[in-house]
Amino acid sequence: EAGVAQSPRYKIIEKRQSVAFWCNPISGHATLYWYQQILGQGPKLLIQFQNNGVVDDSQLPKDRFSAERLKGVDSTLKIQPAKLEDSAVYLCASSLDLGISYEQYFGPGTRLTVT
Amino acid sequence: ELKVEQNPLFLSMQEGKNYTIYCNYSTTSDRLYWYRQDPGKSLESLFVLLSNGAVKQEGRLMASLDTKARLSTLHITAAVHDLSATYFCAVDGIIQGAQKLVFGQGTRLTINP
Repeated sequence: EAGVAQSPRYKIIEKRQSVAFWCNPISGHATLYWYQQILGQGPKLLIQFQNNGVVDDSQLPKDRFSAERLKGVDSTLKIQPAKLEDSAVYLCASSLDLGISYEQYFGPGTRLTVT
Repeated sequence: ELKVEQNPLFLSMQEGKNYTIYCNYSTTSDRLYWYRQDPGKSLESLFVLLSNGAVKQEGRLMASLDTKARLSTLHITAAVHDLSATYFCAVDGIIQGAQKLVFGQGTRLTINP
């Protein structure tokens, strides 16, 4: 079974530029999550989708971050404009369904460096 | 608000020794995870602990859960260099009305030959 796919794996941009990350979850997984992992810290949830609807985005900095999952499968996370403090690894995860009974599976992440 | 705290944050030990990583959390939860992360890699699920008193073992690693004390431990027996990694615990909880996975800060484990 293929895992969660993410691209690109690495991205370097200058502050105030825009960037987008892509995630393809495990086939059949209804729930998709985006996490931000700053160096030396644990992942922090940014947004979670159930199919193509947003379940929770309370920790997403909505003035600069946006995410969508239009067809309930792939998802994109965008930052516009980027700040230095956005440098982090962005992890995508998916689970079969919503709720604590369903384990999350993580992708390899996209490492973003903002200079 | 659900908070998850690990200690120690850094651990350097010699091969063959035993040690324990602790994970405390602040509110009631029904599920606790332990993950391993190698440098530059994603998270690998090690254990899922579902109930009070749960104990799981895989090789030299053993995890346990005490829901009354809100404490989980990850015990390493006779450490080997290959276990060098960062270990995270994560707790499922309801925050602001939504179910979320909240991670600890991580414990960076270095095992010296």
